[in-house]
Amino acid sequence: EAGVVQSPRYKIIEKKQPVAFWCNPISGHNTLYWYLQNLGQGPELLIRYENEEAVDDSQLPKDRFSAERLKGVDSTLKIQPAELGDSAVYLCASSLDGQGEAFFGQGTRLTVV
Amino acid sequence: AQSVSQHNHHVILSEAASLELGCNYSYGGTVNLFWYVQYPGQHLQLLLKYFSGDPLVKGIKGFEAEFIKSKFSFNLRKPSVQWSDTAEYFCAVKGNTDKLIFGTGTRLQVFP
Repeated sequence: EAGVVQSPRYKIIEKKQPVAFWCNPISGHNTLYWYLQNLGQGPELLIRYENEEAVDDSQLPKDRFSAERLKGVDSTLKIQPAELGDSAVYLCASSLDGQGEAFFGQGTRLTVV
Repeated sequence: AQSVSQHNHHVILSEAASLELGCNYSYGGTVNLFWYVQYPGQHLQLLLKYFSGDPLVKGIKGFEAEFIKSKFSFNLRKPSVQWSDTAEYFCAVKGNTDKLIFGTGTRLQVFP
C-alpha cells in the first residue's frame, strides 16, 4: 500500500514569491491534515479536511496561506507571498476517518531566502 | 483547549538503559492518545496508540505506554534501549474535536 506522498521534498524560494505543496493521501482516507513543523518543535495543525470540506482551518494564516482539496482526494497548500518566517517543514497526513491514527508523508522542507 | 506537554526535551542514554519519556495533556473529555517516532531523515511513524480498554498499551519495537487518567499522563517506556532507537519522539492527543495535537517532542540519543 502506498503511503502519503508529498511533493516537492525540498523547495527554496525568495521571499515574496509564491509556493505550492502537493499531497496525495492514502487511498480511501477521508481525513487530510496539513501541519507545519519548525525545527525542534512538534507539528502544528494548519488545516484539516473531511473529504473536500475544510472542517478546521482556525490555525491557517489566511492572509497568505490557502489550501484546497478538490474531489476529496489530493490537496494543495499555497503560500503567497512567502516570508522568511515561513521556512519550515510542511507535513501532510491522512486518516481513514479522523478517529484513528494519522499517516504522515515525508514532508516538504521550505527555505525562504 | 487541548494541549500536550513533553517534559524531556533531550535525553541521552547508553544502550541497555531503561527509558521513560513523560507526556501530559490537558483535556477534560475522552481522548485518544498516540506516540509517534521520527527517525533521522524519515517521516513520522506511529509507535503505539490508546483508545480505550487496558491502560497499558504495547507498541512496536518493544515500546509501551501507560495511560493514567487521574494524572492526565501517557508516558512512554522501554526497558532496554538500542542505538537504533535514536530518534525524536512525539506524544499526541485527540479529543472529541478530532484535532490531533502534538507535543514539542523529545530528542533521544542512544550511545553504544
